[in-house]
Amino acid sequence: KNEVEQSPQNLTAQEGEFITINCSYSVGISALHWLQQHPGGGIVSLFMLSSGKKKHGRLIATINIQEKHSSLHITASHPRDSAVYICAVRDDKIIFGKGTRLHILP
Amino acid sequence: NAGVTQTPKFRILKIGQSMTLQCTQDMNHNYMYWYRQDPGMGLKLIYYSVGAGITDKGEVPNGYNVSRSTTEDFPLRLELAAPSQTSVYFCASSYGFTGGYEQYFGPGTRLTVT
Repeated sequence: KNEVEQSPQNLTAQEGEFITINCSYSVGISALHWLQQHPGGGIVSLFMLSSGKKKHGRLIATINIQEKHSSLHITASHPRDSAVYICAVRDDKIIFGKGTRLHILP
Repeated sequence: NAGVTQTPKFRILKIGQSMTLQCTQDMNHNYMYWYRQDPGMGLKLIYYSVGAGITDKGEVPNGYNVSRSTTEDFPLRLELAAPSQTSVYFCASSYGFTGGYEQYFGPGTRLTVT
């Protein structure tokens, strides 16, 4: 069993829809990261959180430490949000999920 | 700041050839990392460094070597390229490691070994 599981693996939605991507992990962590990998391959960090909730523009990330679960939400999705979203957890090492491929249709 | 830069962007190697993937960061970060990303798989840590002169193995170090002679540079060396090393390689850096330190990624190097 992978230590970091993301769901869904692939998600196609219409522009404007509310998007939720989930991340569950089985190890103790000190922080969780959400990353975005653009179609061209570049990776950028979206959020780093260890408790509660963070918001940046249309993106919201939440984490429940007790349940070992995090969600990334995108409100009013847009085709430019199409990317692979990666969850990564870290304590003494960093473990990456396989990513969720999101495609937003215009 | 340029952030994290990697060269080359693309490379095709024949089996048995050697090459060095270059990585430079201008953020004065202590920590630097090399990852590989295979299709459909999560990023895997190859090697990391906690500062100049100090390197350590990650999850998948076999077939690779690294050095860290300066804070800025962290080159990755492939000595005898094998088809299993076909992958996309990402270099990253961060100010710290444990806890809440954000990683900054380079644009990646797509390597094909045939």
